[in-house]
Amino acid sequence: DAKTTQPPSMDCAEGRAANLPCNHSTISGNEYVYWYRQIHSQGPQYIIHGLKNNETNEMASLIITEDRKSSTLILPHATLRDTAVYYCIVRLEDSWGKLQFGAGTQVVVTP
Amino acid sequence: GAVVSQHPSWVICKSGTSVKIECRSLDFQATTMFWYRQFPKQSLMLMATSNEGSKATYEQGVEKDKFLINHASLTLSTLTVTSAHPEDSSFYICSASYLAGEHYGRNEQFFGPGTRLTVL
Repeated sequence: DAKTTQPPSMDCAEGRAANLPCNHSTISGNEYVYWYRQIHSQGPQYIIHGLKNNETNEMASLIITEDRKSSTLILPHATLRDTAVYYCIVRLEDSWGKLQFGAGTQVVVTP
Repeated sequence: GAVVSQHPSWVICKSGTSVKIECRSLDFQATTMFWYRQFPKQSLMLMATSNEGSKATYEQGVEKDKFLINHASLTLSTLTVTSAHPEDSSFYICSASYLAGEHYGRNEQFFGPGTRLTVL
């Protein structure tokens, strides 16, 4: 099963872009990269996912390297409400679609 | 769309009692539901996976007789913590998924808001 490595914490100034890195060097060809975040004492919230192409939605952009061994989640204009733990997850290759959460990155957005 | 609810949002019970937590998909039919547990300052840990009408599949180390899962319909799954003890105090989170077509991953997961269980 592909595992991910993320920095434990990151600070970001309000209004600036937040770039969250994730390494997944053992990812296999048909595994997707998913990003979720968890605000304190709430359930995780889906952000974005991708296979090989860069993706963008109303919340964030996902940049996946050509070799797919790493990716970056970009929050273009961080707000205080973006303070959360961000999880980069590689979808397990089985029919259940289980998500295995790692430690994630604690992002703190400061005024 | 894709809203998942949990009830109750928090519960306090005495040691030795059983507690039932409900997970509902409000606006879609969930082919699969998942149950997670999260201790303070730790990540989510997957406990079990369940499909409607069949027995749940438990992760290694999770006692199936202690954590009873019933997935009676495509919109409801329940987790019963039997004979709860203080070490079962935790944040329990469910998620529900459905098949979303070829463009997406095989299925998408949407999470409930969680249930805080405190066993005295």
